[in-house]
Amino acid sequence: GAVVSQHPSRVICKSGTSVKIECRSLDFQATTMFWYRQFPKKSLMLMATSNEGSKATYEQGVEKDKFLINHASLTLSTLTVTSAHPEDSSFYICSAREFGREGNQPQHFGDGTRLSIL
Amino acid sequence: AQKVTQAQTEISVVEKEDVTLDCVYETRDTTYYLFWYKQPPSGELVFLIRRNSFDEQNEISGRYSWNFQKSTSSFNFTITASQVVDSAVYFCALSEAYPMDSNYQLIWGAGTKLIIKP
Repeated sequence: GAVVSQHPSRVICKSGTSVKIECRSLDFQATTMFWYRQFPKKSLMLMATSNEGSKATYEQGVEKDKFLINHASLTLSTLTVTSAHPEDSSFYICSAREFGREGNQPQHFGDGTRLSIL
Repeated sequence: AQKVTQAQTEISVVEKEDVTLDCVYETRDTTYYLFWYKQPPSGELVFLIRRNSFDEQNEISGRYSWNFQKSTSSFNFTITASQVVDSAVYFCALSEAYPMDSNYQLIWGAGTKLIIKP
């Protein structure tokens, strides 16, 4: 089945550090990648939708300059949390949809990144 | 507006019991997709099923079964003979079939935490 690799799985760093999270589709080309944030015991909150070669579309309330998204190829998207602060601590999950498949194919999810800012 | 409601925040049953997780959705679209995902304690999201709104046949996969009732806008999930390994948070989600932006974003329910006691 389709595999999405997300790295790193866990990050602990000091306030003010920028953190980059990678999301790779390993065995398929991803037209669209999604970035979610999940607070404890809550549902997934869509942060942004990223299409290869174009700027990401951010959801209302998500700071573009804070959460930089790059989708440079059909297999890689990155989320950079710039100058992270404790309130940015959360579980971040990426997902990817397969390129060229007709209809609404399921999103395939990475294993998530647990970000802790001290 | 689209909305997914999972009214059961948490369910706890003893192993081998059957359990049903409820999902009620709202949409103005005549064509849409419904999904169920499982999120075990480790955090990764596991795709379970995708259902097209045109297909009202119930589906069974091993101990899992899904009951899609378009008349009541429900897409309930039943686990038969539950096992401890079924313990997880289960999310129901909805997506347009033909979104204008072609991104097929998911509208997520709040999730139901299922606890299977030995």
